[in-house]
Amino acid sequence: KNEVEQSPQNLTAQEGEFITINCSYSVGISALHWLQQHPGGGIVSLFMLSSGKKKHGRLIATINIQEKHSSLHITASHPRDSAVYICAVFPRMNYGGSQGNLIFGKGTKLSVKP
Amino acid sequence: DAGVIQSPRHEVTEMGQEVTLRCKPISGHDYLFWYRQTMMRGLELLIYFNNNVPIDDSGMPEDRFSAKMPNASFSTLKIQPSEPRDSAVYFCASSLSRVNEQFFGPGTRLTVL
Repeated sequence: KNEVEQSPQNLTAQEGEFITINCSYSVGISALHWLQQHPGGGIVSLFMLSSGKKKHGRLIATINIQEKHSSLHITASHPRDSAVYICAVFPRMNYGGSQGNLIFGKGTKLSVKP
Repeated sequence: DAGVIQSPRHEVTEMGQEVTLRCKPISGHDYLFWYRQTMMRGLELLIYFNNNVPIDDSGMPEDRFSAKMPNASFSTLKIQPSEPRDSAVYFCASSLSRVNEQFFGPGTRLTVL
């Protein structure tokens, strides 16, 4: 079982729709990172959070530490939001063999149609 | 700040050749990370440095891979000899501390024929 699971794997939406991408993890964490990767492009940091909620423009990220779950919401989606969204967690130090380094989900590929 | 800078952006080489990838982190960031991304395995950490010192290289696939950070503003990832299975996108990222927002470079797309 992957330590970081994202759902859905693929998502197609119409422009203007409200979008939710989910991330569940199985380890104790220090923080969680949401990243965005455009096709053929680099990786951009969207949020890093360890509790509660953060908002930036049309993007909102929430995290529930007790439930080990985070969501990324996009309001009024636009074709330029089409990208792969990656959830990554910082496990508590000395977890397993990772020495607390980022563990990545496999990503959610979002396509927003005009 | 220009962000994390990587070069080259694309590299095509033949099996057996030496490949060197370069990275300039954001000034003032004490941590530098090298990642590899493939379709099959996603993003994987190869190695990371703190204040120019390698801390965790457990992700380096084998002895053909080596990484150095001679100073705070420059790091290299070297593959010698390269093999077709090394074909991937290699990202460099930097951050202020270990558990902190990481800023990624544009990546180097490596193709080994």
